[in-house]
Parts: sequence; structure tokens; C-alpha cells
Amino acid sequence: EPEVTQTPSHQVTQMGQEVILRCVPISNHLYFYWYRQILGQKVEFLVSFYNNEISEKSEIFDDQFSVERPDGSNFTLKIRSTKLEDSAMYFCATTKRTGYEQYFGPGTRLTVT
Amino acid sequence: DAKTTQPPSMDCAEGRAANLPCNHSTISGNEYVYWYRQIHSQGPQYIIHGLKNNETNEMASLIITEDRKSSTLILPHATLRDTAVYYCIPDSGAGSYQLTFGKGTKLSVIP
Repeated sequence: EPEVTQTPSHQVTQMGQEVILRCVPISNHLYFYWYRQILGQKVEFLVSFYNNEISEKSEIFDDQFSVERPDGSNFTLKIRSTKLEDSAMYFCATTKRTGYEQYFGPGTRLTVT
Repeated sequence: DAKTTQPPSMDCAEGRAANLPCNHSTISGNEYVYWYRQIHSQGPQYIIHGLKNNETNEMASLIITEDRKSSTLILPHATLRDTAVYYCIPDSGAGSYQLTFGKGTKLSVIP
């Protein structure tokens, strides 16, 4: 069964550094999402992306965050200048068409020190 | 957006049916209800969804009351691998496809 993959599985970075989290969607999926989950808290929506444009974003997704699909396969989330409070699991999700049946990747654990 | 209420935790004996309730009394007529689960530290996993009719797939059954104010997810023969947090998520019905996760129900399947 096709799966969403994410790399790295764990990223440790110092405060103020830039990080890029990568996601490889299921091959025929066209809609992409990022969510995050701070330890012990709810899964929170960050952004949705379709046709090389952001469709929706939450209040969390401020100017420090950006997304792109640089090569037609990977889907990336960049945090320009990480803060301690960015420490969380970041999940990528993809769907073939618009909808709520989203397929999630295993997540990247980001630790900001 | 519809609000949901789920019990924070439930236990179920292995091999028995697990019945997970969700109250979504503010749901509107064209909003589906989606169920996801999250096994510890993994990404959420889609289970099933429904509008007004009962639904069944290879993972679970979904029973929606006639007034659509509540639903029950049924895992017919729970296994230890079904231990997870289960989330009931109504759609926003406004062309937004962001999933809004609540706290869910922590289901513990006991040997």
C-alpha cells in the first residue's frame, strides 16, 4: 500500500537556525497538508497546498513558515528561524482530491535547543 | 464549526467489540463525520466517515443516529494493536479541508 514518507525522522537544531522538513506524497495525490503536534497536545493544522499555492493556513503558520514543492515530488516545510516553541512532531498529509480522507506520514520530531 | 464531545478514555477487552461514542449535536445537515485514530507517536490514520447512513469498511463500522447528533465507532473485534486515541471530526462544511482534532478518546485494549 502506498505511503507518505517524511524525512528526517528526528531533527535537532539550535534556536534561530533554519530547518527544512521533507515529505514525499503518495504518487497521484495532489493536495498536501502540514500539521504539528506539540508533546502532549492536540494535532494542529498548519497549512494546505494545492497547485503550487497555499489554499489555507492557520494562525500558527506565520512569516517564519513557508512551504513549497521544489521538484514536483517532495513537499517541504521550512521554518526560517526556529524558536524553542517550534519543538513538536510535524506531520505531512496528502489526498488525491479535496476532502477529509487524508493520509498522514509518520512525522518528523523537531527538537529546538 | 460543529463541536464534539468524546469520553477521554475507555477500556476494552481483547476480542470484544469496542464502541466509541461521539456527541456532535451542533453538526449541520451536510457535514460529514470523520473518524481518525493515532497510535502512540505515529501519524493519524483515517478510519471511516459518514453523513446519515451507517457505514462499514474493513476497519470499522460507523453508526450515526437519525437526528445526526451523535455517532458511534465500532471496532468489532478489538486487538491490542487497536490501542490508540480515536478522534471524531466533523467537516467544516465551508470548503475548508483542515482537520480539527480534539482530545479524542484514549482506547486501551486489555489482554
